[in-house]
Amino acid sequence: AQSVTQPDIHITVSEGASLELRCNYSYGATPYLFWYVQSPGQGLQLLLKYFSGDTLVQGIKGFEAEFKRSQSSFNLRKPSVHWSDAAEYFCSVANAGNMLTFGGGTRLMVKP
Amino acid sequence: EAGVVQSPRYKIIEKKQPVAFWCNPISGHNTLYWYRQNLGQGPELLIRYENEEAVDDSQLPKDRFSAERLKGVDSTLKIQPAELGDSAVYLCASSSSQGKGNQPQHFGDGTRLSIL
Repeated sequence: AQSVTQPDIHITVSEGASLELRCNYSYGATPYLFWYVQSPGQGLQLLLKYFSGDTLVQGIKGFEAEFKRSQSSFNLRKPSVHWSDAAEYFCSVANAGNMLTFGGGTRLMVKP
Repeated sequence: EAGVVQSPRYKIIEKKQPVAFWCNPISGHNTLYWYRQNLGQGPELLIRYENEEAVDDSQLPKDRFSAERLKGVDSTLKIQPAELGDSAVYLCASSSSQGKGNQPQHFGDGTRLSIL
């Protein structure tokens, strides 16, 4: 069975600082990996996805993520955080049938 | 391109009452998903449709939950009767089957259900 772990429930960073959100997955085959962001009262918006190929993927809003098979990780990064990035971030893995399993989420707070 | 549309956005009902949620997926997306998101957690899949066929409903509590997707477009999710533990956000998502690999799922804004 596939699973996703996001070890950090809450993270607080200062505006302009760099950000890294951790994600570890468990899946028996080549994973399809996604990062979504959810603002309060909203649905989930896709930030980026990894299917194959280059292990460093670029997404929207200046986010990127790196797939590391040896560590079963898919961490999300951003070099300089903006106040509007405050939200909840979800990492997910899909099986071959596109069934998504989500992590518990990381709530990002941004200090001015 | 219009996104996934869900209604209502909020619903408050008393326990044991019925409730229904509606979802209109992105045009052309033949795969539709219903998720439940409890407070402080990630979404959990309830049911997945390929066109009008439910291809995975193993997580749907069938004693009180039902879903349909007539004509393979819009979908409704129903709870009857609702219990206190059903309070959650119900999210609908859709994806296309075109293209290589797993296509991303696009989510609606959800229906927030509160049971009194």
